[in-house]
Amino acid sequence: AQSVTQLDSQVPVFEEAPVELRCNYSSSVSVYLFWYVQYPNQGLQLLLKYLSGSTLVKGINGFEAEFNKSQTSFHLRKPSVHISDTAEYFCAVSLTGGYQKVTFGTGTKLQVIP
Amino acid sequence: GAVVSQHPSWVICKSGTSVKIECRSLDFQATTMFWYRQFPKQSLMLMATSNEGSKATYEQGVEKDKFLINHASLTLSTLTVTSAHPEDSSFYICSARPSTAANYGYTFGSGTRLTVV
Repeated sequence: AQSVTQLDSQVPVFEEAPVELRCNYSSSVSVYLFWYVQYPNQGLQLLLKYLSGSTLVKGINGFEAEFNKSQTSFHLRKPSVHISDTAEYFCAVSLTGGYQKVTFGTGTKLQVIP
Repeated sequence: GAVVSQHPSWVICKSGTSVKIECRSLDFQATTMFWYRQFPKQSLMLMATSNEGSKATYEQGVEKDKFLINHASLTLSTLTVTSAHPEDSSFYICSARPSTAANYGYTFGSGTRLTVV
């Protein structure tokens, strides 16, 4: 079965500084990878997804992630964060094809400091 | 596009009563929807896969008689928490996606905060 590990439960960063949220996955077969953002008491919003092709994926709100198969990683990055980026970020994985269930990591709380 | 509406956004109920949560795909048809549960400061745990016109598939450890799922149409799935108890208090979220493969990436509802008193 596939799994996702987010090692950092919280990441504080100053406003306008760059940030990287780490995600590592485990799977014996090909997978799809996702990053979602959750604001307090809200559902999840898809930031970006990797299905195939280019390993550098650009998403909404200036975020991007790079798929690294050899390191089984899918780290999320943003060159300059804003206060509004303060939220919980979830890395997720699913098997390819059809309606596959999505497995989520434990989440990383990004705290942007003014 | 690909909007999922979840209702109610919050509900408080007495212990022993039942609560129904609705999940609707507003601008697409969803033969499959997923129900998740999220405890405070924790990740989302998949409870069950809701299939239109057939029985739901429950994850291990989820009581199917307690969490009743009905997916009677291509745009609506409901989760009923029966005989609710305080330990059922949680944030419940549904998700779905259009069948178009190029749009892969599940859309989530805004969630339902259930408090059982």
